[in-house]
Amino acid sequence: KNEVEQSPQNLTAQEGEFITINCSYSVGISALHWLQQHPGGGIVSLFMLSSGKKKHGRLIATINIQEKHSSLHITASHPRDSAVYICAVSSYGNQFYFGTGTSLTVIP
Amino acid sequence: DTEVTQTPKHLVMGMTNKKSLKCEQHMGHRAMYWYKQKAKKPPELMFVYSYEKLSINESVPSRFSPECPNSSLLNLHLHALQPEDSALYLCASSQVGATNEKLFFGSGTQLSVL
Repeated sequence: KNEVEQSPQNLTAQEGEFITINCSYSVGISALHWLQQHPGGGIVSLFMLSSGKKKHGRLIATINIQEKHSSLHITASHPRDSAVYICAVSSYGNQFYFGTGTSLTVIP
Repeated sequence: DTEVTQTPKHLVMGMTNKKSLKCEQHMGHRAMYWYKQKAKKPPELMFVYSYEKLSINESVPSRFSPECPNSSLLNLHLHALQPEDSALYLCASSQVGATNEKLFFGSGTQLSVL
């Protein structure tokens, strides 16, 4: 069993739709990270959070420590949001565990 | 400067070649990582350096040899690779010993072994 589980694996949305990607984890963490990877490219860190909620533009990330669950929301989705979104958790001792990613396609 | 710079971006090598991947950061991070990523899979940890010392080696074959010459540089030396080693190799960095610390990634080296 993976330490980090994401759902859905694949997601297709129409431009303008509200999108939610979910992440559950089973290890003790110091922080949870949401990462974005475009095809053939490196990885960009979108959020790092250890409690509550963070917002950046159209992106919102929430975490519930008690339930070991996080969500990434994208409001008013746009084709340029098409990418793979990866949930990762940092545990103690510089260990990072990655989810399998959610491949998002936003259709114009 | 909040960048992790990796070179080269693309590399094609034969199974008898020796090549090196380079990674550089100037954020003062003292933890640096090598990850291997196959298509449509999450990154897999290969090595972690903490204060220029190898702290984690995830049972990586000896044909991959990491080196951390100083706190800003991380190299991955490649020798006698196999075609199944073809992948995206990602370097990352973070603070050491700090909780709630971001992981910064480079854009990766896309490696093809022929």
